[in-house]
Amino acid sequence: AQKVTQAQTEISVVEKEDVTLDCVYETRDTTYYLFWYKQPPSGELVFLIRRNSFDEQNEISGRYSWNFQKSTSSFNFTITASQVVDSAVYFCALSEALVKKRGSTLGRLYFGRGTQLTVWP
Amino acid sequence: EAQVTQNPRYLITVTGKKLTVTCSQNMNHEYMSWYRQDPGLGLRQIYYSMNVEVTDKGDVPEGYKVSRKEKRNFPLILESPSPNQTSLYFCASSLMPPFEGTEAFFGQGTRLTVV
Repeated sequence: AQKVTQAQTEISVVEKEDVTLDCVYETRDTTYYLFWYKQPPSGELVFLIRRNSFDEQNEISGRYSWNFQKSTSSFNFTITASQVVDSAVYFCALSEALVKKRGSTLGRLYFGRGTQLTVWP
Repeated sequence: EAQVTQNPRYLITVTGKKLTVTCSQNMNHEYMSWYRQDPGLGLRQIYYSMNVEVTDKGDVPEGYKVSRKEKRNFPLILESPSPNQTSLYFCASSLMPPFEGTEAFFGQGTRLTVV
């Protein structure tokens, strides 16, 4: 079973439309982090936001907003008034802490399969 | 400039010929990892390293090796590449492990083709 599910493979919108990218995660940990990354057509991966499992406050950054709901294990990302430059693949990711090894707690990062967002002019 | 540098950016090789993809970061990050990106599968973690000499398997470690002898370097080794390892590879580093909430900085990617 996937740890992080991004059910929307591709989304197309016209400029100025609002769009929401869904992310559903699965974990047994009580402490974890969720992330969103953006991969524009140039290919690099860029960090957008992180959210601690204890902080369910929604966050807004300009045209971007994130809705974290532990009750539904979701961490959705909304772009308001989309622009062509928002066209990219967006990845949601989950981190968990694993067993201690040599005095360290190792950790994994699980990515969803990504959502390709295309914004048309 | 803070960055993660991967080399080479593009590589075409033949089945069975050992290769190494280098990764270096100049941010004194403790945590480093390798991912492969395949269409429809997203990013999958191959190996990760908490610090020097501390490495562990990710989701898809088969056919790969890593080493972390220095903090800044985390090479990915394919001892005997096969066509199913044709993929886009990313190296990433972060100050602390992801469960500490630190974001990852990614390299530019290495597009590997095994024929």
